[in-house]
Amino acid sequence: GAVVSQHPSWVICKSGTSVKIECRSLDFQATTMFWYRQFPKKSLMLMATSNEGSKATYEQGVEKDKFLINHASLTLSTLTVTSAHPEDSSFYICSARQVAGGTRNEQFFGPGTRLTVL
Amino acid sequence: AQKITQTQPGMFVQEKEAVTLDCTYDTSDPSYGLFWYKQPSSGEMIFLIYQGSYDQQNATEGRYSLNFQKARKSANLVISASQLGDSAMYFCAMSTGGSYIPTFGRGTSLIVHP
Repeated sequence: GAVVSQHPSWVICKSGTSVKIECRSLDFQATTMFWYRQFPKKSLMLMATSNEGSKATYEQGVEKDKFLINHASLTLSTLTVTSAHPEDSSFYICSARQVAGGTRNEQFFGPGTRLTVL
Repeated sequence: AQKITQTQPGMFVQEKEAVTLDCTYDTSDPSYGLFWYKQPSSGEMIFLIYQGSYDQQNATEGRYSLNFQKARKSANLVISASQLGDSAMYFCAMSTGGSYIPTFGRGTSLIVHP
């Protein structure tokens, strides 16, 4: 199956700093990637849809200036949490949709990044 | 709008027994797909099984089968011969023909005990 990686797998940072999380599709091209946020024992909340070569589409209530998304290539999308605060601490998961052959609209998920802001 | 409902916050099953995790959905789009994902404590979302709205037969993948009842709008996951490693959160999700972005249910926590 298709593989999606995320880096880092966990990060601890001080309040006020920015953190970049990378999402890579390793063996397929992904024109579209998705960023989710998950609180403990809760479901995944879609934050934004990342489109290669264009601006991301953010879900209602998600601050685009706070969560910067860049999808510079067909295999890489990055999420930057700017001026992070303790309330941004969460589990962030990305997923990627295959360009071709994905008639099932199947998404392949990365392993997630656990962010802790002190 | 599309909606996924998982009414079981937690389920317990004995090892080697079968368990059914409930999922109901709602959409006005005639074309849709239903997914089940497993999320162990490590956090990774693992794809288990898929059912398309036009598929005539229920999907099966090894020990996983999807009990698709279109008229009732339900897509329950059946895990046969449970194993200790099946203990995890299980999420039902749906995407529609009009939007491939999936909607996730709240999840069900499954605990398999010896």
